[in-house]
Amino acid sequence: KNEVEQSPQNLTAQEGEFITINCSYSVGISALHWLQQHPGGGIVSLFMLSSGKKKHGRLIATINIQEKHSSLHITASHPRDSAVYICAVRIGNQFYFGTGTSLTVIP
Amino acid sequence: KAGVTQTPRYLIKTRGQQVTLSCSPISGHRSVSWYQQTPGQGLQFLFEYFSETQRNKGNFPGRFSGRQFSNSRSEMNVSTLELGDSALYLCASSEGPGGSGNTIYFGEGSWLTVV
Repeated sequence: KNEVEQSPQNLTAQEGEFITINCSYSVGISALHWLQQHPGGGIVSLFMLSSGKKKHGRLIATINIQEKHSSLHITASHPRDSAVYICAVRIGNQFYFGTGTSLTVIP
Repeated sequence: KAGVTQTPRYLIKTRGQQVTLSCSPISGHRSVSWYQQTPGQGLQFLFEYFSETQRNKGNFPGRFSGRQFSNSRSEMNVSTLELGDSALYLCASSEGPGGSGNTIYFGEGSWLTVV
């Protein structure tokens, strides 16, 4: 049983397209993180959400606590957005991670 | 401000050996957490330290251990290495305990290969 489910697993988009990545979790959480991992391993925390919506540049993250669902949107996608995006939640004293969405943006 | 620094970046060990990985958090950060990433299992939480105390531990055997020093630097140790321990080990730091409203900052990771 996975506490965190992410979709899609893989995503290919043309430059300029609007992209949505989804994350669902099974129980109540204290916070949800969206992470970005580029080839080579380094991870960057994009957003931390406990409610509502956050925006940073072309990235938007939303969370619906009642439905236990979060989305990460990328507007006007660019090849440099190509990376793996990972959803992470804290349930109790544990962190749980989605399997990641591998995004490729083609010029 | 320097980011989270992990050493070594790459290492190769033999089955049965032990390994120690080091993590220096961002200055002022008192919380350090460790994660294992493998192609098969993805990212998994190992443990979290805050002010030299282990606050949480993931579902890993006792061969995996860690500690945090008074300057917030942390080390993790894996004893009796197995082939399945080959992974990217990531460290992250935050001002306060993770999940309590603090952004977490990751290091570049230590790539461990067990042969």
